[in-house]
Amino acid sequence: AQTVTQSQPEMSVQEAETVTLSCTYDTSESDYYLFWYKQPPSRQMILVIRQEAYKQQNATENRFSVNFQKAAKSFSLKISDSQLGDAAMYFCAYRSEAIYMRFGAGTRLTVKP
Amino acid sequence: DAMVIQNPRYQVTQFGKPVTLSCSQTLNHNVMYWYQQKSSQAPKLLFHYYDKDFNNEADTPDNFQSRRPNTSFCFLDIRSPGLGDAAMYLCATSRVYSPSYNEQFFGPGTRLTVL
Repeated sequence: AQTVTQSQPEMSVQEAETVTLSCTYDTSESDYYLFWYKQPPSRQMILVIRQEAYKQQNATENRFSVNFQKAAKSFSLKISDSQLGDAAMYFCAYRSEAIYMRFGAGTRLTVKP
Repeated sequence: DAMVIQNPRYQVTQFGKPVTLSCSQTLNHNVMYWYQQKSSQAPKLLFHYYDKDFNNEADTPDNFQSRRPNTSFCFLDIRSPGLGDAAMYLCATSRVYSPSYNEQFFGPGTRLTVL
């Protein structure tokens, strides 16, 4: 079964510095999509970045980038120049034809001023 | 702005008393999802609608039902809420069924308390 593992329940970063959140997944499928979602306290979940498994190039969205290692089944999120507004719960998620969306347990990111 | 709206944001019900949560969307998306998210846990998919086609996750309890009277609205009915059903319930939408259009847009959630 497809599983998504986020091994860091909590992370902390100093404002303006860089932090990397880890995610690994288990699948036997070749075609799938990976996502990072952000859920701020008491606010709705929003998409941060996504990666198609067939693309070798790592996705980038402004200060957010991923390191996608397909063979290792690893999908980490790097946040550069961290801002106070980045503080949130971050969920890694997997989607394929068979699996509509499977989330990891989440990583709570704290940003220190 | 196009969006996903959930009402109410907070719902309190009594043990065993039926409750209905509402979701509406102005995105005109054909797929709507209901997730259950317990405290400090990942969202768990309960079921989804692809247009009028209902798809239940295998481990979703029978106590949970859903209705989608039209494209814009979807309801989650909990027939006899138990204490273990206290959670945040998230509604999400996506444009088409295929993973190639795969971003899901989430509502703010309804926090359900069961007394």
